[in-house]
Amino acid sequence: DGGITQSPKYLFRKEGQNVTLSCEQNLNHDAMYWYRQDPGQGLRLIYYSQIVNDFQKGDIAEGYSVSREKKESFPLTVTSAQKNPTAFYLCASSIGARTGGAMETGYTFGSGTRLTVV
Amino acid sequence: QKEVEQDPGPLSVPEGAIVSLNCTYSNSAFQYFMWYRQYSRKGPELLMYTYSSGNKEDGRFTAQVDKSSKYISLFIRDSQPSDSATYLCAMKWSGGSYIPTFGRGTSLIVHP
Repeated sequence: DGGITQSPKYLFRKEGQNVTLSCEQNLNHDAMYWYRQDPGQGLRLIYYSQIVNDFQKGDIAEGYSVSREKKESFPLTVTSAQKNPTAFYLCASSIGARTGGAMETGYTFGSGTRLTVV
Repeated sequence: QKEVEQDPGPLSVPEGAIVSLNCTYSNSAFQYFMWYRQYSRKGPELLMYTYSSGNKEDGRFTAQVDKSSKYISLFIRDSQPSDSATYLCAMKWSGGSYIPTFGRGTSLIVHP
């Protein structure tokens, strides 16, 4: 079955550590996204990528980094510069604007990674 | 003022009730309107999609868009405990970026 796989489901980070969240999709989608979800704040866009080897900052990119070396993969690194990283992180993908239908099909989300600073 | 406003709830209703979930928005250029359902500790899933104004029905769910009032609604008929989830609205305009703007989500609890 096609879908998005996020791993790990739970992640604990020590102060000063970088951690990487994995996101893999087998939907053949061009576009991929990372969102952060905090209680009462909804979804906030961190980074997005419309095509391999290209990505753009979202609304809250500071303290995060991404790469898009393969169409299927869009890992997110939470760096030590992110001062408040405890949150639920969601990866999503969509067909993409150039192929059309991005809104009709909407996003497909992964199951999320809950990151906690210890 | 946020571009999309959504009451976070929680909204608690008895099983079988008709539920009305709503979002208001300020950007009159929004043309595409979506509702996502998110169960606890899961990612959101697309429930309904509507383009421009009007109603769209899918089983027990009806999505309604009133562009003159900048108001969208999701109605759930004969609500079930399995409908208990957070419902997020999302919308975008037809030009430019295809990144939607999300509401904060409304928590719905349907009790038996």
